[in-house]
Amino acid sequence: DGGITQSPKYLFRKEGQNVTLSCEQNLNHDAMYWYRQDPGQGLRLIYYSQIVNDFQKGDIAEGYSVSREKKESFPLTVTSAQKNPTAFYLCASSIGVTGAEAFFGQGTRLTVV
Amino acid sequence: ILNVEQSPQSLHVQEGDSTNFTCSFPSSNFYALHWYRWETAKSPEALFVMTLNGDEKKKGRISATLNTKEGYSYLYIKGSQPEDSATYLCAQNQAGTALIFGKGTTLSVSS
Repeated sequence: DGGITQSPKYLFRKEGQNVTLSCEQNLNHDAMYWYRQDPGQGLRLIYYSQIVNDFQKGDIAEGYSVSREKKESFPLTVTSAQKNPTAFYLCASSIGVTGAEAFFGQGTRLTVV
Repeated sequence: ILNVEQSPQSLHVQEGDSTNFTCSFPSSNFYALHWYRWETAKSPEALFVMTLNGDEKKKGRISATLNTKEGYSYLYIKGSQPEDSATYLCAQNQAGTALIFGKGTTLSVSS
């Protein structure tokens, strides 16, 4: 089935460790996104990529890094520099960045202890 | 930072009631306005994408309108059903930039 797969669904890490969240899509979409949700905050944009080997910072990029080596994959690394990493992370993709409907993964809940 | 505002934050209605939510956004550099429905334990799903001032879109009992000049959109649900219970997200595109979301309106429909 076509769609976006995020893994794992739940992730636990110790404070100070980097962790990478996976996002894969088989929709042949050029654009991919990472959002973070905290209680009462809605979805906040971390990074997005319009095309392979290109990405732009969103509103809350500090402490995160991404890569876009393949069209299908847009992994997000939460580094030890991210002060409050515990959150729900959603990956999405769309045909293009502007005006195109976004399709979302199921999300990864990251807990840092 | 682009600021998209939604109101109310939450809403509780009885089955059969009609209801509406508001999304306000900056009217400058507007390209598109999206509405998504996010049910518990599921992924957000698109309801509407609107680009033109005066656009009205409908899907079953749900409809939306767009006013780009004054920077607002309304989402209407006619005859609410328990299965309409969800968080409704509004998001805006400016040209060449990613979707920026509001905080959402959480609707609860009691039978």
